[in-house]
Amino acid sequence: GAVVSQHPSWVICKSGTSVKIECRSLDFQATTMFWYRQFPKQSLMLMATSNEGSKATYEQGVEKDKFLINHASLTLSTLTVTSAHPEDSSFYICSAPPPLVETQYFGPGTRLLVL
Amino acid sequence: SQKIEQNSEALNIQEGKTATLTCNYTNYSPAYLQWYRQDPGRGPVFLLLIRENEKEKRKERLKVTFDTTLKQSLFHITASQPADSATYLCALAEGSGGYNKLIFGAGTRLAVHP
Repeated sequence: GAVVSQHPSWVICKSGTSVKIECRSLDFQATTMFWYRQFPKQSLMLMATSNEGSKATYEQGVEKDKFLINHASLTLSTLTVTSAHPEDSSFYICSAPPPLVETQYFGPGTRLLVL
Repeated sequence: SQKIEQNSEALNIQEGKTATLTCNYTNYSPAYLQWYRQDPGRGPVFLLLIRENEKEKRKERLKVTFDTTLKQSLFHITASQPADSATYLCALAEGSGGYNKLIFGAGTRLAVHP
């Protein structure tokens, strides 16, 4: 089946630093990828839709200048949390739908802890 | 306002019994509905998809129903096993195709006891 990877799997950083998370589709090309955030015991909240070759579409309430998304190729999307603060600590998950398939395949997630 | 609700935060059942999870939605017109399994600290894993014109879908011990009149989907796991213990998420997509964003319910945490 389709595989989506994320790197790193976890990261600890100091407040004020920026953190980049990578999402890769390993065996298919993804013109669209999605970024979610999940707080403990809560569901996945869609943050933004990443589109290859164009600007990302952000959900209401998500600061585009804080969460920078770059979909540089058909297999890679990156999410950069700029000037991270403790309230940005969360579980970040990406997903991608393979071509002609309605299912989305999710990455294993990246746990971010901002001290 | 739009809402997706899953019947309970947690469900405890005995091994061998059938687990039934509920997903209700309001103010959506989903083209299809999906069920995912999520284990702690992991990303969701796709289980089943059911379209608006389908009543029921099966896959091994899993069964999903979809009632667009009641705006409800039921997810059944028959002959449940402790390995089925996980959080189960329902998700709606309003458009067709895989490029439409999914809106997730809060999930139901299922615990199957030996």
